[in-house]
Amino acid sequence: AQRVTQPEKLLSVFKGAPVELKCNYSYSGSPELFWYVQYSRQRLQLLLRHISRESIKGFTADLNKGETSFHLKKPFAQEEDSAMYYCALSTSGTYKYIFGTGTRLKVLA
Amino acid sequence: DGGITQSPKYLFRKEGQNVTLSCEQNLNHDAMYWYRQDPGQGLRLIYYSQIVNDFQKGDIAEGYSVSREKKESFPLTVTSAQKNPTAFYLCASERGQGLYNEQFFGPGTRLTVL
Repeated sequence: AQRVTQPEKLLSVFKGAPVELKCNYSYSGSPELFWYVQYSRQRLQLLLRHISRESIKGFTADLNKGETSFHLKKPFAQEEDSAMYYCALSTSGTYKYIFGTGTRLKVLA
Repeated sequence: DGGITQSPKYLFRKEGQNVTLSCEQNLNHDAMYWYRQDPGQGLRLIYYSQIVNDFQKGDIAEGYSVSREKKESFPLTVTSAQKNPTAFYLCASERGQGLYNEQFFGPGTRLTVL
């Protein structure tokens, strides 16, 4: 069965420290992976997708098919990064998304 | 103002009553989705629709029903059969063509059963 696992419910880091939000997936086909973010009192929105291989707001994520992971990283956390982050898997050939349970990131001053 | 809208923002329902949550989009997207968001459980898919007059059950469809009579609209009815309906409900839309499409989310409706 397809599944997305985010093992950390809460991650607290100090401003300027590196951040890594973990995401592991289970899917036998070719995955499409995304990170979505929800800032306080804002809508859930796309942060980045693996196919783009881009850096958004300093965040990057690399798909590791061997480890079935798609961890989100940022070298220096900022207070404005505090939010809820969801990893999502879209299975090829369908329009169905599977979301992880989310990780709340708190960046402390 | 373009985008995806949900109404109402807050909804209260007595036990045993059906209630319908509205979702409208003017993005000309083919695909629309309903999710339920509970603390610690992330987003769980209730129903999704790829095109007008067609929809599929998601992972937690029991106690819910939908319709897709128009491209712009995808209302969700929470029936009295849903055993634990108090939750935050999110609607989303997607272009629906090709791969790696972004989902656009509405602001959500918080349903409370009294």
